[in-house]
Amino acid sequence: GAVVSQHPSRVICKSGTSVKIECRSLDFQATTMFWYRQFPKQSLMLMATSNEGSKATYEQGVEKDKFLINHASLTLSTLTVTSAHPEDSSFYICSALREVAGGPQYFGPGTRLLVL
Amino acid sequence: GQQLNQSPQSMFIQEGEDVSMNCTSSSIFNTWLWYKQDPGEGPVLLIALYKAGELTSNGRLTAQFGITRKDSFLNISASIPSDVGIYFCAGRRPSNTGKLIFGQGTTLQVKP
Repeated sequence: GAVVSQHPSRVICKSGTSVKIECRSLDFQATTMFWYRQFPKQSLMLMATSNEGSKATYEQGVEKDKFLINHASLTLSTLTVTSAHPEDSSFYICSALREVAGGPQYFGPGTRLLVL
Repeated sequence: GQQLNQSPQSMFIQEGEDVSMNCTSSSIFNTWLWYKQDPGEGPVLLIALYKAGELTSNGRLTAQFGITRKDSFLNISASIPSDVGIYFCAGRRPSNTGKLIFGQGTTLQVKP
């Protein structure tokens, strides 16, 4: 199989704090991972593409200084929401590409972030 | 960002009935994927399609990659209560490295 994990599964934090979310590919190496955000009853919105060993590519309208992405190894990408505010509350999902470009994306279980 | 046109938006059917949903685009895709998402979970891959005209089954699920490369459909036969969830189509353009474009989702409810 192709298993992707995320940690934590849910987090509640105070406004102004930073939150780090980890995404790991457990049984395969992923040179490319993706971070999505999903609002209730809506589709997935791509935030950024995370490439191992290089800078992430952010989608238009996504603040790179607010959503820091680090892809330090072939099995781990992290998303840090800096100085979180209530409007950052959302469901964040990562995915990993098993084969370069050609294969499907395998998704993690998601992280529910609530900023008070 | 751009989305695929997925329909229907929602379906409420009786257990045992067959279900069909589809996605269309004005652009050509070289990959079509179908995912199912349960509440509070990440999407789970159901079927992946890589060639125009390809017809692939996964148990009671069947999906096809349209000949024009601009559409795909997913059929579920003999629905059961655990089929409940949101189904998303996703496509990859020839020019995009790995990035997927998602449909708006089809919410399926099954009445026992």
